Amino acid sequence: DAGVIQSPRHEVTEMGQEVTLRCKPISGHDYLFWYRQTMMRGLELLIYFNNNVPIDDSGMPEDRFSAKMPNASFSTLKIQPSEPRDSAVYFCASSRRRAGIYNEQFFGPGTRLTVL
Amino acid sequence: AQKITQTQPGMFVQEKEAVTLDCTYDTSDPSYGLFWYKQPSSGEMIFLIYQGSYDQQNATEGRYSLNFQKARKSANLVISASQLGDSAMYFCAMREGTDTGRRALTFGSGTRLQVQP
Repeated sequence: DAGVIQSPRHEVTEMGQEVTLRCKPISGHDYLFWYRQTMMRGLELLIYFNNNVPIDDSGMPEDRFSAKMPNASFSTLKIQPSEPRDSAVYFCASSRRRAGIYNEQFFGPGTRLTVL
Repeated sequence: AQKITQTQPGMFVQEKEAVTLDCTYDTSDPSYGLFWYKQPSSGEMIFLIYQGSYDQQNATEGRYSLNFQKARKSANLVISASQLGDSAMYFCAMREGTDTGRRALTFGSGTRLQVQP
C-alpha cells in the first residue's frame, strides 16, 4: 500500500504569494492531520479532519491559513499571502479508526516550504 | 505548561549498547496514549511504539521498549543493542482524551540520538 503522499516535496516562494500544499491520505483512513515543524516551535498540530469534516482547527495560526478536504482522498493546506515566518516543514498524517484505544498516525514525507 | 517534556536535547551511545530516552508528560485526563516517533535525517516520521494509560504492561516492539511509570508520569523509550541506523531525532507524543475520541497528538521537543561505532 502507498503511504501518505504529499506534494510538492519542496516549495520556494516569495513573500505575498499564495502557496498550496497537497496531501493524499492512506486509502481507508478516515482521519487526516496537518502538522507544522519548525526549529522554534517544534511539531505542532494545525488542523485535523474526520470523514472530511474539520474537527479541530485551533492550531491554524491565522486567517492566512486555510485547509480543505473535499473528499476522502485529498486535502489541501493553503497559505495566502505567505510570509517568511511560514517557512517550515508541513506534514500531513492519516489514521484509521478501529477497535481498541490507539490509532497510530502515519506521516507523509513532508513539504519543506521556504518563503523568501 | 509543557504537556510533553524531553529534557535531553542530545544523547550519545556506543553501538550495541542500550540507551534510554526520557519523556515526562502532564495531563489530568485519565485516558491517554503515549507514542514514540523516530525522525531520521531524511525527515520522515516513523512510528515506533505506543503505550496506553490503562495498559498494565510496558509496551515492547522488537528492540524498543517503553518504561512506563504512571505515577511519575514518565514514558521513557529504551532502545536495546543500538545500531548505527538508530541515529535520529526521537519524539515523544501524547494523545489525550482517548475515551472522548480526540485524535491529535502533542509532541515533545525531541532528543537527537547519535550512535557511535
